[in-house]
Amino acid sequence: KAGVTQTPRYLIKTRGQQVTLSCSPISGHRSVSWYQQTPGQGLQFLFEYFSETQRNKGNFPGRFSGRQFSNSRSEMNVSTLELGDSALYLCASSRSPGTDNTEAFFGQGTRLTVV
Amino acid sequence: GDSVTQMEGPVTLSEEAFLTINCTYTATGYPSLFWYVQYPGEGLQLLLKATKADDKGSNKGFEATYRKETTSFHLEKGSVQVSDSAVYFCALIKTGANSKLTFGKGITLSVRP
Repeated sequence: KAGVTQTPRYLIKTRGQQVTLSCSPISGHRSVSWYQQTPGQGLQFLFEYFSETQRNKGNFPGRFSGRQFSNSRSEMNVSTLELGDSALYLCASSRSPGTDNTEAFFGQGTRLTVV
Repeated sequence: GDSVTQMEGPVTLSEEAFLTINCTYTATGYPSLFWYVQYPGEGLQLLLKATKADDKGSNKGFEATYRKETTSFHLEKGSVQVSDSAVYFCALIKTGANSKLTFGKGITLSVRP
C-alpha cells in the first residue's frame, strides 16, 4: 500500500511570504503529526491531528498552523516566513493516537528554504 | 518533560565491525521506545521498537533491549555494512492522549569498506 506522501518535496520562498505544505497519510491512518528537522535543533514536534482535531501542539509560534481534512489529509501553513524556518518538514501518520502499539510512518519530507 | 539522550557522534566504523549506539531516556510512566533511521535525502524509517520492559526489538541484524532499570535502549549490530551508513535516532512515545514522538539528537554512522 502507498506510504505517506508529502508535497512538494522542495520549496524555495522569500522572507515574509507564506507557505502551505501537504501530507497524505497511509490509507486507514487517521492521526497525522508534523515535525521540523534542522541541524541545530534536531527533530521537533509541531502538532498532531486526529479526526480533524488538533490534539497536541509543540512549542512553536502562532505563525505555524495546520489542519486536517475529513479524508485525513493534512496541511501545515507557515506565515510571515523567517530565515530560521528553513528546515525539512516531516509528516508522520499512524492509525490512532495513544495506543499501546503506536507506530508512526514518515513521509520523505518537504525541504523548505527561505531566502 | 520527557527526553532522550544519545551518545555524541559522528561514528565511523570499518565494514564488519561491531556497532553500539547508546540511548537513555527520561520519562514518567511506561513509554514505548523506537529506533529510526534516516538515509541521505530521505524521511525517517522505523528500524525497530519495544513497547515494554525487557522487550527486545530486532530488524535487519540490529537489536535493542528495553532496560527499564537503566532507562536505556542501546542499539547494537554485530557486523555493520557500508549500506548501514545513515543517521540513527532514538525516540520514545507515551501511550495516552497523543502520538508525540520525542527524539534524541541523532547520530551519524559512516561505514567504510
